[in-house]
Amino acid sequence: DTGVSQDPRHKITKRGQNVTFRCDPISEHNRLYWYRQTLGQGPEFLTYFQNEAQLEKSRLLSDRFSAERPKGSFSTLEIQRTEQGDSAMYLCASSSQEKGYFGPGTRLLVL
Amino acid sequence: SQQGEEDPQALSIQEGENATMNCSYKTSINNLQWYRQNSGRGLVHLILIRSNEREKHSGRLRVTLDTSKKSSSLLITASRAADTASYFCATDGSGGYQKVTFGIGTKLQVIP
Repeated sequence: DTGVSQDPRHKITKRGQNVTFRCDPISEHNRLYWYRQTLGQGPEFLTYFQNEAQLEKSRLLSDRFSAERPKGSFSTLEIQRTEQGDSAMYLCASSSQEKGYFGPGTRLLVL
Repeated sequence: SQQGEEDPQALSIQEGENATMNCSYKTSINNLQWYRQNSGRGLVHLILIRSNEREKHSGRLRVTLDTSKKSSSLLITASRAADTASYFCATDGSGGYQKVTFGIGTKLQVIP
């Protein structure tokens, strides 16, 4: 499979717990993006990596959110002390110069 | 905030009819892209049109771009039930794919 993969696909957690999501991009893509999507809305940009460098971070990303891409390949997105408002679909994308290729997303539900 | 705004927000048509969705945006762009999203799934890239292009075709898809009006349209001809999905336009104003901004989408239902 040469597409973008994300794990897990679904996560249910209790408020206050930490969660971590993983994204494996298309192997030859050096750019990786995280988006968040809530019901009835389009994806909202969270952060962007070029290789292992995190080049941009949205103001949506509070201090409880951290993303890494340690070797310039897969990336992780961690949410600490989850809140109910964090419930959303978290989408990862990787890109060539212009086109973005999205993974299936991780759906998070915070109870 | 999201730059692109799709219109209509919901569209219901019979199979075989054409579906037209519009997208308006606010700032200058380098290119505009259309994506499809089936319920609860990731986004699938459909077509990209550059700011110096006016029209582009891909199979049953036709995209137009009017930079003077800051608008784009996506036409799906001879719709099929499998076209039922949400469609998003995405704009990139800063070169490359950095910080592509999505609209809220048009939810298309094609009735068999």
